[in-house]
This record gives sequence, C-alpha cells and structure tokens, in this order.
Amino acid sequence: SAVISQKPSRDICQRGTSLTIQCQVDSQVTMMFWYRQQPGQSLTLIATANQGSEATYESGFVIDKFPISRPNLTFSTLTVSNMSPEDSSIYLCSSSPGGSEAFFGQGTRLTVV
Amino acid sequence: AQSVTQPDIHITVSEGASLELRCNYSYGATPYLFWYVQSPGQGLQLLLKYFSGDTLVQGIKGFEAEFKRSQSSFNLRKPSVHWSDAAEYFCAVGNNAGNMLTFGGGTRLMVKP
Repeated sequence: SAVISQKPSRDICQRGTSLTIQCQVDSQVTMMFWYRQQPGQSLTLIATANQGSEATYESGFVIDKFPISRPNLTFSTLTVSNMSPEDSSIYLCSSSPGGSEAFFGQGTRLTVV
Repeated sequence: AQSVTQPDIHITVSEGASLELRCNYSYGATPYLFWYVQSPGQGLQLLLKYFSGDTLVQGIKGFEAEFKRSQSSFNLRKPSVHWSDAAEYFCAVGNNAGNMLTFGGGTRLMVKP
C-alpha cells in the first residue's frame, strides 16, 4: 500500500496565471505520473517524472505548458502555466511503490475563470 | 499503441440486480489489467487487477472480473449491486511494470432503489 498526498485539493485561478501542484509519496519511488481528467472524461496521462532526468511528455502535452519537477524520490510538482478555462480539470498524481499497482492521490480540482 | 474501450457510457441497474461492465483492450503483449472505481469527489480506488494465472480474479467489495484473451476482454461483474456501488468505473491497461496506465472512457453506474 502507499499514501499519495496532493496539494492543493482544489483551487480557483484567474486565466493567465500559473498553479503548481505538489505530490508527496510516503515511500521512495523511481517513477511518478501525472494525469489529467477533464470534466466528465476519463484520465489521460500527461507525463512521467523520473528522478534525476527530464520528464517524458505524452503526445499533446508540452513542457512549456506543464513543467514538472522531481527533486527527490518522494516528491514531484506539476505546474499548469498560463492557464485558460480549457485547463479546468482534475489533476492526479500516481505512483507504484511496489511496481505492480498504481496508487493515486486524491486529485487537485482546478477551475480557471 | 495500447487502448481500452468501455462500450457503455452509462448503465442503470436496480439494487440487488447483477451487474456486468464491459471492457475491451488492445495491447501488443500480455496485458496488465485493472478496474478502478471513482466515487463523486473521491480519488481512484483499485477494485482488482490481473497480471497472470487464474483468469477469474476476485476483488474488493464483492467484484470479480474475467480475463478472456480470445475476446480481448476484461469484464467486471458483481452478483448483487448495492446502492453504494453507484460511481464511475474505469478499466485500464498497464505497461510491463504495471504502473503507467491507459484508461478507458469510463462507465457511470446508477443504482435504482
């Protein structure tokens, strides 16, 4: 089992601003994952964050829009930059400490106005 | 590329009735398959997973799923649905390490009293 904590749990932001979401895992992990869940939609992988290297982004997601940091083996941040209403989503952090099951944070519900 | 299809967007069943949620996947090798449940305002909870071995897997809350390689399916079943089962259900397929996931579109389950 693993506990993944995300902060903030929700936020309302002005368009054009940026928000940084924090993710903390209760054990050391090699890879952490960031997902987006748009309203009424499924989850889509944004990027994979490995400690000590640049994040790997999925098609349709770019580093300038979603910069990721991975300073150590238990922590990662995702920044949503220059936000627009289309960025309103739930952002979820995930990891798999045992290597066989993905655990998820509670998510960050972002509303851009 | 891997993909997951959940053909039913919404399903409504009566409390006490049986339930089957469909999931079809496309994956080049032996898949790692998962079912997650997301209740309103809640994070994702793993119901069950299949990696290998017995093709009928038991999960939490009385759910089970059967892996059928010939049909590329991993359908979720429950013999008697409870009102508290109303939620969004996601089928997912994982990579070799079983953590980076591709999700289906989800099935929203409603339970009639």
